[in-house]
Amino acid sequence: KAGVTQTPRYLIKTRGQQVTLSCSPISGHRSVSWYQQTPGQGLQFLFEYFSETQRNKGNFPGRFSGRQFSNSRSEMNVSTLELGDSALYLCASSLTTGEHQEFFGPGTRLTVL
Amino acid sequence: DQQVKQNSPSLSVQEGRISILNCDYTNSMFDYFLWYKKYPAEGPTFLISISSIKDKNEDGRFTVFLNKSAKHLSLHIVPSQPGDSAVYFCAASGNFGNEKLTFGTGTRLTIIP
Repeated sequence: KAGVTQTPRYLIKTRGQQVTLSCSPISGHRSVSWYQQTPGQGLQFLFEYFSETQRNKGNFPGRFSGRQFSNSRSEMNVSTLELGDSALYLCASSLTTGEHQEFFGPGTRLTVL
Repeated sequence: DQQVKQNSPSLSVQEGRISILNCDYTNSMFDYFLWYKKYPAEGPTFLISISSIKDKNEDGRFTVFLNKSAKHLSLHIVPSQPGDSAVYFCAASGNFGNEKLTFGTGTRLTIIP
């Protein structure tokens, strides 16, 4: 079974721009979660989508948003980029919304200049 | 407010010896704990987990111990191998609030040949 895929793998943007990241979950997985990883902060939960609905949301500003499509693929969008948004953005999938274990993709490295 | 803490950012262990990685948590509502391993340029991969109804779980060379009264868990790797060199993240979840998984900041383990 193919793993979680994320595109693009690397991205460079400037302050004020917006960005869209994409995630394709493992086939059959319907829950997709997004995390931000920065040095010294570990992985911080952004949000979770299941059946095209946002089920959970972490403590991030409204500039961070996401959506899920009927095929379970998910996108996250960050508007009005700030320097502090530079991070590794990880997508994880699981069969359902109640699963503890998640399977992670390789991440998208976003650099904001 | 770091609810899951890994106080050792790095650890070096001789090959063949035991590696012990520690994790502390503050929220008594967490009821499930996981360890993930992360290599550079890859997403975290699930290693082992433990439910709060147990105090020990073993899987080959990996054993996780949970001390609920101390709100402490540890991962033991015996014997340590060079391929174990990676960043290890402790994560916790519970049926409350809106966080899917709460992660620690990670410990970089280096196995010295």
